Amino acid sequence: DAKTTQPPSMDCAEGRAANLPCNHSTISGNEYVYWYRQIHSQGPQYIIHGLKNNETNEMASLIITEDRKSSTLILPHATLRDTAVYYCIDDRGSTLGRLYFGRGTQLTVWP
Amino acid sequence: SQTIHQWPATLVQPVGSPLSLECTVEGTSNPNLYWYRQAAGRGLQLLFYSIGIDQISSEVPQNLSASRPQDRQFILSSKKLLLSDSGFYLCAWSLGPTDSPLHFGNGTRLTVT
Repeated sequence: DAKTTQPPSMDCAEGRAANLPCNHSTISGNEYVYWYRQIHSQGPQYIIHGLKNNETNEMASLIITEDRKSSTLILPHATLRDTAVYYCIDDRGSTLGRLYFGRGTQLTVWP
Repeated sequence: SQTIHQWPATLVQPVGSPLSLECTVEGTSNPNLYWYRQAAGRGLQLLFYSIGIDQISSEVPQNLSASRPQDRQFILSSKKLLLSDSGFYLCAWSLGPTDSPLHFGNGTRLTVT
C-alpha cells in the first residue's frame, strides 16, 4: 500500500506556480520520493525524484523538508497541458525499484 | 535511447477467454520489468515484477500470471478472464537500483464483457 498522503484535487491558474504537497511521514532514511503524473488514458510520466536535497529539472522543482516527512512539487509556470493526476511515491528503499501508487492529486489548470 | 512498447492499445474480451498482453523494451539490457493495473477511478496497483529472465514475483494473488521469456520481453496472461480483470494495464521498466525511475508504456485498456 502507498504510504504517502496527497490532497485529492487542486486548481491552478495558467501561468501561475502550482505547488503540490505530499506527506510521507513514515519514510525511512534510504527511501527516495518520486513524483509522476498521468494524463487521462496515458501511462504515468516520470517527473522528478529526490532523497534529501531539493531537486530541479526542466519540468519541475522538488522541495523536501529537513525532516523528510513531507515534500512539495512545484510547477513554476503551469500550463493547460499540466492538467493531470500527480502521484507522490516513496520507493520503500528497495533495490528492486518497486513503487506503490496511491490516488494522487488531480491538478486542474484553468485559463 | 530506451523505448517501451505495449500492445494492443485496447482489447475487448468475453468472460472466460484467455489473455496475452505483451511488452518489450528497447535500448537497454537486463531491465527490471513491471506490470501494473489501474481500475476505473483508482490508483495504480503493482501486479508483477521481474529482475531477470524467468524471475517473476507476484504482488497480489489473482487470476493473472506473468512470464519473461527473453531479457526485454514481459508477458501478462490469463487462462480465463473475469469481469473484474477489466482495467488499464501498464508495463514499465527501470534500471533496478533504488535511484532509478520507472518508465511506463502507453498501456492496454482491457474490457471484459
